[in-house]
Amino acid sequence: ETGVTQSPTHLIKTRGQQVTLRCSSQSGHNTVSWYQQALGQGPQFIFQYYREEENGRGNFPPRFSGLQFPNYSSELNVNALELDDSALYLCASSTRGTGELFFGEGSRLTVL
Amino acid sequence: QQQVKQSPQSLIVQKGGISIINCAYENTAFDYFPWYQQFPGKGPALLIAIRPDVSEKKEGRFTISFNKSAKQFSLHIMDSQPGDSATYFCAASKYSSASKIIFGSGTRLSIRP
Repeated sequence: ETGVTQSPTHLIKTRGQQVTLRCSSQSGHNTVSWYQQALGQGPQFIFQYYREEENGRGNFPPRFSGLQFPNYSSELNVNALELDDSALYLCASSTRGTGELFFGEGSRLTVL
Repeated sequence: QQQVKQSPQSLIVQKGGISIINCAYENTAFDYFPWYQQFPGKGPALLIAIRPDVSEKKEGRFTISFNKSAKQFSLHIMDSQPGDSATYFCAASKYSSASKIIFGSGTRLSIRP
């Protein structure tokens, strides 16, 4: 069983730039959720995708957007990067209607 | 109503001791309460979870105690081992939309040999 994989693992951007983070979900999972984890904090829910549509969103501005593809993989896009966007971005896959989230190891974004 | 409050922020326990981490929630609609364990450089991994139809759930050395009336739940780690040293997050959600989980702020647990 292939786990959740994320890329890139680390990246550095400057303010105002745009970034795309990628996630391959675990085999058999049809739902992908994205979380932002600031240093020393718990993960915060950004949004969830099911059947290629956004299915719930946390308290994040529209410059955070995403996609889910037919193979259930997903992208997180962040436009107009701000310093406070520096964080670990976690992707989690699951089966709709069940409780357990399976997390990847995350993409650590640093905005300078 | 969406917060999950977790304490303590950090905890040091001697090997073989009992580690206890506490959480409180506000939203009475929550009906799924997982605990996640996170090691440095890794994503969180589900450790144990409980639904409010039971007051306690035990898996090996890990036990969740749940108090619905007080809107509190806790994680007990018995016979704590150095390999348990990690950050622990309590969380809560509605089971029907369990992917939209609200996490606590985390407890950094260190087990001294």
